[in-house]
Amino acid sequence: DSGVTQTPKHLITATGQRVTLRCSPRSGDLSVYWYQQSLDQGLQFLIHYYNGEERAKGNILERFSAQQFPDLHSELNLSSLELGDSALYFCASSTARRQGPLNYGYTFGSGTRLTVV
Amino acid sequence: GENVEQHPSTLSVQEGDSAVIKCTYSDSASNYFPWYKQELGKGPQLIIDIRSNVGEKKDQRIAVTLNKTAKHFSLHITETQPEDSAVYFCAASLQSADGLTFGKGTHLIIQP
Repeated sequence: DSGVTQTPKHLITATGQRVTLRCSPRSGDLSVYWYQQSLDQGLQFLIHYYNGEERAKGNILERFSAQQFPDLHSELNLSSLELGDSALYFCASSTARRQGPLNYGYTFGSGTRLTVV
Repeated sequence: GENVEQHPSTLSVQEGDSAVIKCTYSDSASNYFPWYKQELGKGPQLIIDIRSNVGEKKDQRIAVTLNKTAKHFSLHITETQPEDSAVYFCAASLQSADGLTFGKGTHLIIQP
């Protein structure tokens, strides 16, 4: 157990629907990063939150959004789902500070496998 | 932004032999380089990392080397074992806000 908890583990939904993926970071970690993993694109950075504040956006579609709550858990919302959104979605937490270099690696959760049919 | 290239995409070695995976990065200001191992059905797990002020780091059978001038870094696994079979990812980072940029991964296969 890495200490990062993601729910649900599997999700099957229809095109056009909306889903919410949940992540609880390791105790003490203020940073949460979301990644999408697909066979052709690899691990793509979506978004980073630090202590409730959005810090950086990567290749995140406008149909996707995220937030981090006061208890530091984070949710990734995916709407108007398309077949191409089927992928593994990982969250990772880190002891990284709000600014400055990243000196330590992430701890990843076990992921949510999203299948859009 | 940062771009990380990783080679080879698949590597098959005999058990007991060594394996080497290579990565190049584009942003000379990047200063942190971790390696992750991902087993089937699991999230990536950090196995070793190196910072830009160090040229080499070793942890038992695993070592990482960094050449800042050439902007490349490599993972070396010696005396490979069946449990080393997995997908390995290299990554690079400049600032904590932007996180890690990952290579596309190397599927390492250990032949018995």
